[in-house]
Order: sequence, then structure tokens, then C-alpha cells
Amino acid sequence: AQKITQTQPGMFVQEKEAVTLDCTYDTSDQSYGLFWYKQPSSGEMIFLIYQGSYDEQNATEGRYSLNFQKARKSANLVISASQLGDSAMYFCAMRGGNQGGKLIFGQGTELSVKP
Amino acid sequence: KAGVTQTPRYLIKTRGQQVTLSCSPISGHRSVSWYQQTPGQGLQFLFEYFSETQRNKGNFPGRFSGRQFSNSRSEMNVSTLELGDSALYLCASSLAPLAGDNEQFFGPGTRLTVL
Repeated sequence: AQKITQTQPGMFVQEKEAVTLDCTYDTSDQSYGLFWYKQPSSGEMIFLIYQGSYDEQNATEGRYSLNFQKARKSANLVISASQLGDSAMYFCAMRGGNQGGKLIFGQGTELSVKP
Repeated sequence: KAGVTQTPRYLIKTRGQQVTLSCSPISGHRSVSWYQQTPGQGLQFLFEYFSETQRNKGNFPGRFSGRQFSNSRSEMNVSTLELGDSALYLCASSLAPLAGDNEQFFGPGTRLTVL
């Protein structure tokens, strides 16, 4: 069975500093994809970054980067230069190779950025 | 380009009633997935539709059903509502069934409250 684990229910970071949100996963699939989403208090899920299991380089999207360590089955999200608008819930998710549109989500990490 | 739209945004029903939620995907997207989000269970996959066919189904009772129309719009129906069905229901669309970095774009959600 596939599983995503986010062990940090809540995190605090000072504005302009970098923060790492942890995500570990478990799957027996050889091909899979890992996603990070941001959910502000409005409820909408905002796609941040994607990493494929066969991608050799870590994914980056602006201030977001994904620290992918395949052997350790971890896919941590790094946010550089935190902004007040980054305060939100962050979800790590996985799509298995044969799962089509089904995403398995972790429990989320609530990030608070302090001024 | 308009994003994913969901109607209604808020809904209050009583136990035993039924409810229908609607989702209009991004223009050109043919795959629609539904998720239920609750504080206790987190984000859980309900079902996925592509070309009017259900491709994948999560572990929910038969009271939860859905369909997709020829214009890719999708509806989900919950019959005989229970208090535990109170949740944020999120719809996500993608060009095709999720594969590779084919990301899912989420709508703002429908918040259902069952009294």
C-alpha cells in the first residue's frame, strides 16, 4: 500500500529565512510521482512542484525546491526566502505508477511565517 | 483561461437528505478527480473520471457516486447524508489521467455541512 508521512504538524519560520518541510513516502511502484501543494485558508489547493521517480535532478520552481532522496524515500520541500504569504497548509502527495488520477496525500504541515 | 469551478461553494443539508455537487474543469481538460477533506481523515480520493468513464474509485460507500458529461463537467452525488459527510469536497482537473508531470489543478471546493 502507498503511504505519505508528514511528521511536522506545524512549523514556524522567520520571514526571509529558508524552511524545509519533511515528507517520506512508501510505495512498491517503480514509477511514481511526488507533488507538493499549498492550501491557504481559502481552501483551494495550489500546485507547487513535481518530482518524478526517474528524474535525476531535484525539481525547482522559483523559491520552491524539492530535495528528493530516492533511497531514503524522502521528498522534502524547501522554501527559500519565506514570505508572509507563504503561511498555509502544505501537503505532500504521491501518484503511483498504476493509479491514474489518484493522489495519496499526507496529513499536511501548517507553516506560519513570522514578520 | 478560467480555472476549475465548483458549485455551490457552501451547502447546508440535514441527515438523510441527498446532495449533488458540480465541477467544471479547465477548458480542454478531460480528466476530473474528486477528493474529500476532513480534519480527522485528511484528504481522501473519491473517484476519477475520464471521457465519461469512471477510471478509479476510492474506498467510500456506495452512497457516494459520480458521473461525467460529454463536455467533461462532472457531478458527484451523496445520498442519505450522514453527519460524517461534513467536509470540503475538492475537484481537480487535468488534461488526461494523471501521468508523468501531468499536474492536477484544484478548484476552490464545496464546503458541505450536514446537520
